[in-house]
Amino acid sequence: AQSVTQLGSHVSVSEGALVLLRCNYSSSVPPYLFWYVQYPNQGLQLLLKYTSAATLVKGINGFEAEFKKSETSFHLTKPSAHMSDAAEYFCAVTFYSSASKIIFGSGTRLSIRP
Amino acid sequence: GAGVSQTPSNKVTEKGKYVELRCDPISGHTALYWYRQSLGQGPEFLIYFQGTGAADDSGLPNDRFFAVRPEGSVSTLKIQRTERGDSAVYLCASSPTTSGNTGELFFGEGSRLTVL
Repeated sequence: AQSVTQLGSHVSVSEGALVLLRCNYSSSVPPYLFWYVQYPNQGLQLLLKYTSAATLVKGINGFEAEFKKSETSFHLTKPSAHMSDAAEYFCAVTFYSSASKIIFGSGTRLSIRP
Repeated sequence: GAGVSQTPSNKVTEKGKYVELRCDPISGHTALYWYRQSLGQGPEFLIYFQGTGAADDSGLPNDRFFAVRPEGSVSTLKIQRTERGDSAVYLCASSPTTSGNTGELFFGEGSRLTVL
């Protein structure tokens, strides 16, 4: 079955520290992968997406993610955390053969310590 | 409108009642999705429309749930005989592409349903 797993429901980092949010997928066919962010009292919005072009994908607000097929991973990173990065982050996956479902992970809440 | 609009933003109902949740997608978007998000969980896929037809309704939990999109724009999610377990935030998203696998989903802010 197609799925994504996000390791760590809550991650806390200091302002200025590296942010690393983990996502692993399960698939027997090439995936398309996404990271979405949900700020408090706002709808989900796309941070970045991988669609089989470059394996290192850059998104908004200084975030990036690297697709690693050998590790079935698509971890999200940011070199230096800002207070404004505090939000819920969701990894999501869909597949070329499926023109419908986009499956979301359970989410990781990112907290930033001053 | 500029974004996806969902109404009502908040709905409190009693067990056994009927509920309708409305989604007004971004103008011109052909694809429309419904998701359900429970506390502490990620969005759970319910149904996907391509134009007026439901292309994939495999996520609807049972026959109490039904959704329509009669003119290929506004969609209504209908829940009959509501149960306490239906309490969640119901999210609607639209996409300009015919295929969800490379398209970006534009989400509304959700309709929070509470069943007492």
